[in-house]
Amino acid sequence: DIQMTQSPSSMSASLGDRVTITCQASQDIGNNLIWFQQKPGKSPRPMIYYATNLANGVPSRFSGSRSGSDYSLTISSLESEDMADYHCLQYKQYPLTFGSGTKLEIK
Amino acid sequence: EVQLVESGGSLVQPGGSLKLSCVASGFTFSNYWMDWVRQTPGKSLEWIGEINTDGSKTNYAPSIKDRFTISRDNAKSTLYLQMSNVKSDDTAIYYCTMQYSSYIPFDYWGQGVMVTVSS
Repeated sequence: DIQMTQSPSSMSASLGDRVTITCQASQDIGNNLIWFQQKPGKSPRPMIYYATNLANGVPSRFSGSRSGSDYSLTISSLESEDMADYHCLQYKQYPLTFGSGTKLEIK
Repeated sequence: EVQLVESGGSLVQPGGSLKLSCVASGFTFSNYWMDWVRQTPGKSLEWIGEINTDGSKTNYAPSIKDRFTISRDNAKSTLYLQMSNVKSDDTAIYYCTMQYSSYIPFDYWGQGVMVTVSS
């Protein structure tokens, strides 16, 4: 199985900060990675698909990038509504596997 | 509007069985592969498995293979997850999900249903 190592597990940042969350894949997944945002009591919402593409309706302060086997979700200027859990998912190979999640809090 | 509504969650004893349902609306159910994903109390997400459009092919995560069965009834626009020989580790919120658009996996999710395995 492909392991997705996500970091950090939790973080706290101030409004306006630049925030980066990372997932490292244990095998080649190409760009077959999606980032989800999940707010308390809600279902996950796709934010970035195919590693770098912004999903419909997602603010432009969100972006995705790839460097080798490392995939990053970046929020350029943190807003209060961005407080949530974030998950990555690889969909290159079965079984599909998620990262362990990152809890993002606002200072 | 695409809607997925799960039901059937409850408290079940270890070793017991439970069947979850997911009723779909707002799209032609029989045209889409469907998936189940669960979320443990620690908040990690885990893909359980998927089923193709006519129900003839399924793929499962190794952790639940041979204990869980995914099926569907296209006439009822309903997806099922039959859970057998459940364990405490199966305690989770269970979501049905799908890829509706042509390029974003899991772009629609149900609201989730809670399954608690405890004696």
